[in-house]
Amino acid sequence: GAGVSQSPSNKVTEKGKDVELRCDPISGHTALYWYRQSLGQGLEFLIYFQGNSAPDKSGLPSDRFSAERTGGSVSTLTIQRTQQEDSAVYLCASREWAESYEQYFGPGTRLTVT
Amino acid sequence: AQSVTQLGSHVSVSEGALVLLRCNYSSSVPPYLFWYVQYPNQGLQLLLKYTTGATLVKGINGFEAEFKKSETSFHLTKPSAHMSDAAEYFCAVRPMDSSYKLIFGSGTRLLVRP
Repeated sequence: GAGVSQSPSNKVTEKGKDVELRCDPISGHTALYWYRQSLGQGLEFLIYFQGNSAPDKSGLPSDRFSAERTGGSVSTLTIQRTQQEDSAVYLCASREWAESYEQYFGPGTRLTVT
Repeated sequence: AQSVTQLGSHVSVSEGALVLLRCNYSSSVPPYLFWYVQYPNQGLQLLLKYTTGATLVKGINGFEAEFKKSETSFHLTKPSAHMSDAAEYFCAVRPMDSSYKLIFGSGTRLLVRP
């Protein structure tokens, strides 16, 4: 079946602009995660959704970052007023149900802020 | 806070040689432990996981890892490296909270020499 998909695969934006990154999880997966992979910080957790609610937002680095999930499916990560330090690969992962352990990762969106 | 340390950002082995990638974690209680592999321009793929039970776990592509509580380690091994094993490998822990988020190590890039 289809895996986790993310769009766009690459995004180049100018400093100060807003960007939206999209994640389509595997159908039926109730849990969804966003991670960021950058040279300086490695792979870090950003936010967790269970259904449409986000009980863990502890990894969002600033209030310029926000995310939403609708219909228990698609999620959008929004970065406002982008800065050069936001340049990274943003990975989305989904998980089937509460007691399953495996997170399935998408290919990521490479964001470059110029 | 839990953390993961991967010794060696780069490991180089000859084809056919033993692969050993090191991972140590810090946790007051034994967490769930994972190894993921990332091929160029792809998302992360689960290699293997330890949750409970047998401390030697076998994964895909001939990899295995042993959970050693006394050493707080979860090293990844493969008896004979193949050229196709060249990738970046990430060790991760799942803290005992309700989000099931993953805390990743900084990654080890495996190079396989012909």
